[in-house]
Amino acid sequence: EVQLLDSGGGLVQPGGSLRLSCAASRFTFSSYAMNWVRQAPGKGLEWVSAISGGGGSTYYADSVKGRFTISRDNSKNMLYLQMSSLRVEDTAIYYCAKDVGVLGVAGHFDYWGQGTLVTVSS
Amino acid sequence: QSVLTQPPSASGTPGQRVTISCSGSSSNIGRNTVNWYQQLPGTAPKLLIYSNNQRPSGVPDRFSGSKSGTSASLAISGLQSEDEADYYCAAWDDTLNGHVFGTGTKVTVL
Repeated sequence: EVQLLDSGGGLVQPGGSLRLSCAASRFTFSSYAMNWVRQAPGKGLEWVSAISGGGGSTYYADSVKGRFTISRDNSKNMLYLQMSSLRVEDTAIYYCAKDVGVLGVAGHFDYWGQGTLVTVSS
Repeated sequence: QSVLTQPPSASGTPGQRVTISCSGSSSNIGRNTVNWYQQLPGTAPKLLIYSNNQRPSGVPDRFSGSKSGTSASLAISGLQSEDEADYYCAAWDDTLNGHVFGTGTKVTVL
């Protein structure tokens, strides 16, 4: 069974930075696009970013564009989200999610990590 | 801000049929397929329906999806207590060049 393990969350001050990680196993990691989806406390799901299987194409929600960077290391089966200039409104559980396709466009997410909580507060 | 609109809540008694709507636009549902996710309390979301009306392996056939124009629907027939959860529709948006989720619907079994 596919496994996705999110980590790296924590408490950070507004304006600070944090890097989230997602360790993938039990599937051919480089053959699938990957995504980050977040959920603020008591709120709905919000897609954050996607990256193609090879890493050459990336996509971002307008709310994080210019502040967050998605990347992957296919040799280590790892997905990352570098978050900078963090705002209070970035407080959320962040989930990594596996796409069913390699491109990262117009697919759906068949497996999700357990999530990691990011709290932005002074 | 969600681009896809869902009713905030829906409810029914065990055995009843419940339907959840998802309203979008020509740049998302009108051009791309719709997916549905179920989120049980305190857990990560789970894929429920993909490509408008397809069920992943293991999802009961009580769950069905449909799409017409710029709207989509999720139906739960034979409602069971374990169906109490939040449900989200989602689609790719060609204008935003990203995925968009619905506002979410909380289903309560009375």
